[in-house]
Amino acid sequence: LAKITQPISMDSYEGQEVNITCSHNNIATNDYITWYQQFPSQGPRFIIQGYKTKVTNEVASLFIPADRKSSTLSLPRVSLSDTAVYYCLVGDGPQTGSSNTGKLIFGQGTTLQVKP
Amino acid sequence: GAVVSQHPSWVICKSGTSVKIECRSLDFQATTMFWYRQFPKQSLMLMATSNEGSKATYEQGVEKDKFLINHASLTLSTLTVTSAHPEDSSFYICSALKTVSGNTIYFGEGSWLTVV
Repeated sequence: LAKITQPISMDSYEGQEVNITCSHNNIATNDYITWYQQFPSQGPRFIIQGYKTKVTNEVASLFIPADRKSSTLSLPRVSLSDTAVYYCLVGDGPQTGSSNTGKLIFGQGTTLQVKP
Repeated sequence: GAVVSQHPSWVICKSGTSVKIECRSLDFQATTMFWYRQFPKQSLMLMATSNEGSKATYEQGVEKDKFLINHASLTLSTLTVTSAHPEDSSFYICSALKTVSGNTIYFGEGSWLTVV
């Protein structure tokens, strides 16, 4: 399994862009990078997934450099409701794909606190 | 989107008793489900993989006789915490693997267990 390192916590203010970087030096060729969001007392929620370069959806962007040893989750113009724990996961195929076995190993996550 | 529901959302039980938590996939069949536990301010820890019609696969360090998993139908997996103790108090989360149009994971809302 890839060793994952991400900041334990981050603070931001409403309206700012937040970038959370995840380090995964020994990522395997077949590994995907996935980010989940978790609010207190709720199950994790899928945010975004990518393999290389840049992926963007309606809530976030994911930047992956060519060596894929790190990735950055970018949240544009955060609001108070974005206060949550963000998990970077590596491995196990795409979120939607035949190689996804569904088994997810979560790291420590990054607690993002958005202030008014 | 697909929905995975857990019941109960929270439960309080006395030490020494057993408590059952249900995980249902409401609009798809799931041959594979997963159970996680999460202590306050900690990450999710995978406990076991629940396989419909066969025995669950437990992660290292998880007592199979303590945490009984039954996956008797394609839409229901149950986790029974036997002879519960206060240290079993935790947030339990399930996920289900939908294998239509690619394999996609969906998480339940979680269940709080408090053992007194």
